[in-house]
Amino acid sequence: DIQMTQSPSSLSASVGDRVTITCQASQDISKYLNWYQQKPGKAPKILISDASNLETGVPSRFSGSGSGTDFTLTISSLQTEDIAAYYCQQYGNLPRTFGQGTKVEIK
Amino acid sequence: QVQLQESGPGLVKPSETLSLTCTVSDDSISSYYWSWIRQPPGKELEWIGYVYYSGSTNYNPSLKSRVTMSVDTSKNQFSLKLSSVTAADTAVYYCARGRNCFQVWSQGTLVTVSS
Repeated sequence: DIQMTQSPSSLSASVGDRVTITCQASQDISKYLNWYQQKPGKAPKILISDASNLETGVPSRFSGSGSGTDFTLTISSLQTEDIAAYYCQQYGNLPRTFGQGTKVEIK
Repeated sequence: QVQLQESGPGLVKPSETLSLTCTVSDDSISSYYWSWIRQPPGKELEWIGYVYYSGSTNYNPSLKSRVTMSVDTSKNQFSLKLSSVTAADTAVYYCARGRNCFQVWSQGTLVTVSS
């Protein structure tokens, strides 16, 4: 299985801050990487597909980059509604696997 | 707008079989692959497997010996069966559209394994 390692596991930032979450794959997955946002008690929601493709309706403050084994999710200006857990997920190989998640809190 | 809704028991006894059904609304089940994903309380997401309307499946090797997925195109539903459950199978179970990218999710249903 491809292991997905996210860092940090949690972070606290102020409204308006730039936030960066990283995801590292245990082997090359090209650009086969998605990012999800999960708010408490809710199902995950797709934010970014194919490493950098912003899904319809997702605010432009979210962006993704990377290829191969190293990927980044960036929130350019953190808003209160961004409080959530964020997960990366690879589809370069079966089984599909997720990172352990990053919890984002407001300072 | 497509909606997914799971149904099934919220409590299953150890060693028994967990059975869930996902009903697809406002979309044709024949157009996509459909996945099951679970999340133990406070833990990360785990992909269980996917099924296509033709009956083709692919399961997570960690669960493969216990998982069966199927599709009922006449009811626009797909189903999950997980046999010989233990407390480790306690989780919120989601059904989702897709096999690479999960673009639509159900609200999730908590299934507890306990006697």
